[in-house]
Amino acid sequence: GAVVSQHPSWVICKSGTSVKIECRSLDFQATTMFWYRQFPKQSLMLMATSNEGSKATYEQGVEKDKFLINHASLTLSTLTVTSAHPEDSSFYICSANKPGQGAGNTIYFGEGSWLTVV
Amino acid sequence: DAKTTQPPSMDCAEGRAANLPCNHSTISGNEYVYWYRQIHSQGPQYIIHGLKNNETNEMASLIITEDRKSSTLILPHATLRDTAVYYCTCMTTDSWGKLQFGAGTQVVVTP
Repeated sequence: GAVVSQHPSWVICKSGTSVKIECRSLDFQATTMFWYRQFPKQSLMLMATSNEGSKATYEQGVEKDKFLINHASLTLSTLTVTSAHPEDSSFYICSANKPGQGAGNTIYFGEGSWLTVV
Repeated sequence: DAKTTQPPSMDCAEGRAANLPCNHSTISGNEYVYWYRQIHSQGPQYIIHGLKNNETNEMASLIITEDRKSSTLILPHATLRDTAVYYCTCMTTDSWGKLQFGAGTQVVVTP
């Protein structure tokens, strides 16, 4: 079953409003989570690293004041798209690193959240 | 992290093996090779990863060349459900979990 869950799966919002997307690690604590954005027919683009208890680290070209990231607990990171515009419409995906996996896979992705700004 | 290069698309007949190449010529010694796939409108799914030895799991095999500059993902018996975009990426232990994705390979499995 899923180990990282996102909510909502899809959301439609009006231009100028803000929308929040949640990313939860379901059975482990994640000090670090990652947020990606994916436009249609394109690859995933890393937006930022979400750090529990400290400020997020944003990739070059990503506006930190527009994409607010809060990682207030070890199982929850939120991405808030502020003053959303149609060009922000995209598929937003989070991932988390599950510790203690030894040599096995440790990185799990959420199901993604579709944002449509009208 | 090392940049990866993959062919944009590949067709494969159902039941046959699919061999997906990836070039990562600038890979450094502490970088792992990871493979994910993404079915339309879903989050990426982990397939396999390796450092320098060949690896096999229930989904696929990963063959890494001796110089580590390229690798091949092998899906031994492709099914229609394997149709997806396959991403090869490299990740260091210094930035664990931080993945940079290239364009990937669109694999279409046909009956």
